[in-house]
Amino acid sequence: NAGVTQTPKFRVLKTGQSMTLLCAQDMNHEYMYWYRQDPGMGLRLIHYSVGEGTTAKGEVPDGYNVSRLKKQNFLLGLESAAPSQTSVYFCASSVHRDRVASDQPQHFGDGTRLSIL
Amino acid sequence: RKEVEQDPGPFNVPEGATVAFNCTYSNSASQSFFWYRQDCRKEPKLLMSVYSSGNEDGRFTAQLNRASQYISLLIRDSKLSDSATYLCVVNPLTGGGNKLTFGTGTQLKVEL
Repeated sequence: NAGVTQTPKFRVLKTGQSMTLLCAQDMNHEYMYWYRQDPGMGLRLIHYSVGEGTTAKGEVPDGYNVSRLKKQNFLLGLESAAPSQTSVYFCASSVHRDRVASDQPQHFGDGTRLSIL
Repeated sequence: RKEVEQDPGPFNVPEGATVAFNCTYSNSASQSFFWYRQDCRKEPKLLMSVYSSGNEDGRFTAQLNRASQYISLLIRDSKLSDSATYLCVVNPLTGGGNKLTFGTGTQLKVEL
């Protein structure tokens, strides 16, 4: 019963390197989200997707790109990593098509801890 | 004004105590409300949804006051295992995507 799975769990990058974080969900959810969480800031939405092939910007999208080629997967890319992107990244999913969307909570993966040196 | 505001705490309480957290939200059109729990260095996990009439789940009771735009969480008979950060979460129904707005959390420490 996996739910939302994120890989990798930890990563250290050098400034300027690129990488992709993978999120996979097995709950047949329509919507998926990428957040970052920094001390004292709470969760901030980076990008989200309301369906396969569609993505949209959240609150803090700069420096990140995303893709949703398959319904179950949502990829977050860092084009050129910067120390300011050191954070804990969470993926989440929600919404079954046959239920009222606004009543549905989001379910989170266990996070990726990313350090940029 | 922040969209969702919480007292960061920490609330230090003895085991067995009753503790209550409040949260205020700014968007009066918000329709759905949740409490999440987050343990140190872990992901947020849904604790309970908050319904207009108030709802209870074991030792936890959630209340919603739409007129004053606040949500509360009451924990009775606190356990050591209740120590965590509690996030107040609101669905403001703006911009589509079923996006949620998270408070920065209230830290609870239950002590012997």
